[in-house]
Order: sequence, then structure tokens, then C-alpha cells
Amino acid sequence: EDKVVQSPLSLVVHEGDTVTLNCSYEVTNFRSLLWYKQEKKAPTFLFMLTSSGIEKKSGRLSSILDKKELFSILNITATQTGDSAVYLCAAVLNYGGSQGNLIFGKGTKLSVKP
Amino acid sequence: DAGVIQSPRHEVTEMGQEVTLRCKPISGHDYLFWYRQTMMRGLELLIYFNNNVPIDDSGMPEDRFSAKMPNASFSTLKIQPSEPRDSAVYFCASSLYSPLEQFFGPGTRLTVL
Repeated sequence: EDKVVQSPLSLVVHEGDTVTLNCSYEVTNFRSLLWYKQEKKAPTFLFMLTSSGIEKKSGRLSSILDKKELFSILNITATQTGDSAVYLCAAVLNYGGSQGNLIFGKGTKLSVKP
Repeated sequence: DAGVIQSPRHEVTEMGQEVTLRCKPISGHDYLFWYRQTMMRGLELLIYFNNNVPIDDSGMPEDRFSAKMPNASFSTLKIQPSEPRDSAVYFCASSLYSPLEQFFGPGTRLTVL
């Protein structure tokens, strides 16, 4: 069965800390990996990763994909309280698969304390 | 653009009732997705459409669930009859050219008593 596993499930840090969120996947016909940030409402898109070893950056956030080891990490440097959210990763498949085209992990809940 | 619009935002109903959730995707987007999110199962893809045609409905839990997209600007997800285990937040999302970068609506929080 296709699956995406995120770790840790939750994380509490202080402002200014750097955090690394992990996402591993075991899926057939892998196409891309997506990262989303979900605050109180809907997920918002952060990154799409398709190629191994190429870092994507957006401000204090960065992410990289390792297609050999089947994982991705999301780094957040100099964390702020506004970074508090659930971070979701999702594997996009080339074909429908048994669970559809997109498989999400359960998320990592990040809490940044002032 | 107003983004993806969903209605209602909250619905509370009794077991056995029919529930209809509505979604208006971002104008011009070719793909529309319906998701369900619960604490236990996380975010699950139920069904997605491309150019109004259902492409993959393998995530739809059972025959009580049905989804339609009669035109490019409107989709519905119907549950009939509803059960307490259907209680969840239902998200609709749309994307422009591919399933990759999806924009989510605010969600509908459904409670079935």
C-alpha cells in the first residue's frame, strides 16, 4: 500500500530555533512531492519537488528531495510564532493508484513559543 | 480572484439525512479535487476531476458518497444517507494545469449527530 510518513508528529520550539521536518514515502509511480502549511483553515502550498538534490527556498523555508532514499525534509530557520502550523507533505503519483493521485502524510504540528 | 469558494462553511445534521457540499473552483482551473480531513486519517483525496470529467474516484469511501461537476465553475459532493463517521472537514481544491500546485478552499466542517 502506498504511504507517506511524516516525523515528528509534533514539535515545540522557541522563536529563533531552526527546525527540520521529515517526510518519507513509499509509493508506486512517484512523480513529485509537495509541502503544504496548514494553519487554522485550509492548506497553503509551499513547495513542489520533482528532482533529487535541488533545494527549493522561500525566505526562511527550504526543502530538498532525495529520490534514492525516498524522503524529503523541510527546514525552517529563525522560527517565528507565525510559523506555528501543521506542515503536510504529499506524494503525487503518475497514475491513479489505489488511493488516488495524491497521498498525504498525517502532518507535523509545529508550535513556536515566544 | 476570490480563490476556491466552498459552502456551507459549517453543517450540522442528523444521521440519515442527505448532505450536499458545494465548491466553486478558481476561474480557469482545469482540475478540481475533493478531500476529507479527520484527526484519525489525516487528509484523504476522495475524487478529482479534469475538465469536469471524474478521473479518479478510488478514494470515495462507499456508495453513499457521490460527486458531480456539471460545469467548469461548480462541483458538489453529496452524502446520502449521512452517518456520524462522516463527520470531518471536507476541502475542495483546484489547480491550473496539473494536480501539482493545488489551491484549497476554506473547507466545510460537517458534523453528523
